[in-house]
Amino acid sequence: TQLLEQSPQFLSIQEGENLTVYCNSSSVFSSLQWYRQEPGEGPVLLVTVVTGGEVKKLKRLTFQFGDARKDSSLHITAAQPGDTGLYLCAGAGGGGADGLTFGKGTHLIIQP
Amino acid sequence: NAGVTQTPKFRILKIGQSMTLQCAQDMNHNYMYWYRQDPGMGLKLIYYSVGAGITDKGEVPNGYNVSRSTTEDFPLRLELAAPSQTSVYFCASSYGGANWEQYFGPGTRLTVT
Repeated sequence: TQLLEQSPQFLSIQEGENLTVYCNSSSVFSSLQWYRQEPGEGPVLLVTVVTGGEVKKLKRLTFQFGDARKDSSLHITAAQPGDTGLYLCAGAGGGGADGLTFGKGTHLIIQP
Repeated sequence: NAGVTQTPKFRILKIGQSMTLQCAQDMNHNYMYWYRQDPGMGLKLIYYSVGAGITDKGEVPNGYNVSRSTTEDFPLRLELAAPSQTSVYFCASSYGGANWEQYFGPGTRLTVT
């Protein structure tokens, strides 16, 4: 069974600060995705990383896939209240057709 | 293009009742999924389908059934509802490809009392 561990589980910081969220596993994934979920809504895809060592930037968000494709990180620069939400990482196994393995998520609160 | 739609948005069931959660997508995706999300537990896969007429069990299938008669629709059936099935249910679809990116519906919040 593939598992994804996310840390921290909860994070509350002030507007303007930087933060990093981690997603770790002992398993190799063919791709890893990050989703953001707001209360009462479904997860929304932010980014997919595929290649070991890959770095992708989405405005103030930087995503990195570990060299061994077992872990990933999400770094937010100058966090804003609009970044508040539940951040989920999810990995696709060898096939991917049989669904994603999700981490438990990081609850992020950015205080004005 | 509505994406993935789910009905109902909320439902309260009594123990032992049955219901069907509806899911539809208009993106012509072959792959569809049902997940449940419990507080602090992430999303767990209930059932999935790789195309019309083909379904398979996920991690937590007990107490649920699915069917896939068309590409667009993937209903989830709860028989003999139990309090342990109180959860938020999400339907998702994917075109597959190399990355298996999934697109989620808005969810159904189900309470069994």
